[in-house]
Amino acid sequence: QTVVTQEPSFSVSLGGTVTLTCALNSDSVSTSHYPTWYQQTPGQAPRTLIHSTNGRSSGVPDRFSGSILGNKAALTITGAQADDESDYYCVLYMGSGIWVFGGGTKLTVL
Amino acid sequence: QVQLVESGGGVVQPGGSLRLSCAASGFTFNDYGMHWVRQAPGKGLEWVAFIRYDGGDKDYADSVKGRFTISRDNSKNTLYLQMNSLRPEDTAMYYCVKAKKIAAKIYYMDVWGKGATVTVSS
Repeated sequence: QTVVTQEPSFSVSLGGTVTLTCALNSDSVSTSHYPTWYQQTPGQAPRTLIHSTNGRSSGVPDRFSGSILGNKAALTITGAQADDESDYYCVLYMGSGIWVFGGGTKLTVL
Repeated sequence: QVQLVESGGGVVQPGGSLRLSCAASGFTFNDYGMHWVRQAPGKGLEWVAFIRYDGGDKDYADSVKGRFTISRDNSKNTLYLQMNSLRPEDTAMYYCVKAKKIAAKIYYMDVWGKGATVTVSS
């Protein structure tokens, strides 16, 4: 069974930098998984931040960036703002039209 | 401006059926694939299904395969999700999501609707 793992929670200081990761239980994450990242605040629909590892969606501030770090996908927020406090989800493409989400990371901005 | 408006949610007994609709506007509907994604209360996101722009290709999560059917009516700019044999674990917010092609036969989830709530309970 495919399991995508994210840190359950993370905290960052206002103005600081944080890197959230997305791992696969059975394999290393690569660009072929087209890692995609979403931000969701309570009661709202998700918003697309990054697609295809490092493609920033329209209107997304450049303090959000995506990459592959080692064997994981990563989302880095540089210069965290108060309104970055949200849940962040990654999703990976597993082939044959199938996508699998991670469990999400709850980010707190201190 | 892309708008996706889900409807048809509600409360249904286990074993029952429900059909969700998603009215799309602000883009050329028949040019784009579409996804359904769900989120159980207090839980994370789960991809449910995808349909290609012309309805010719459909994919499903194992958790719904054989019970749910995704379809579309391009003449009405509407996406559907027919849900049969519903279980309590199908209780969730269901999001309609416009897809964007990133590679051959690969479409990620791009623009999200606000969702429709489905509750399966006796």
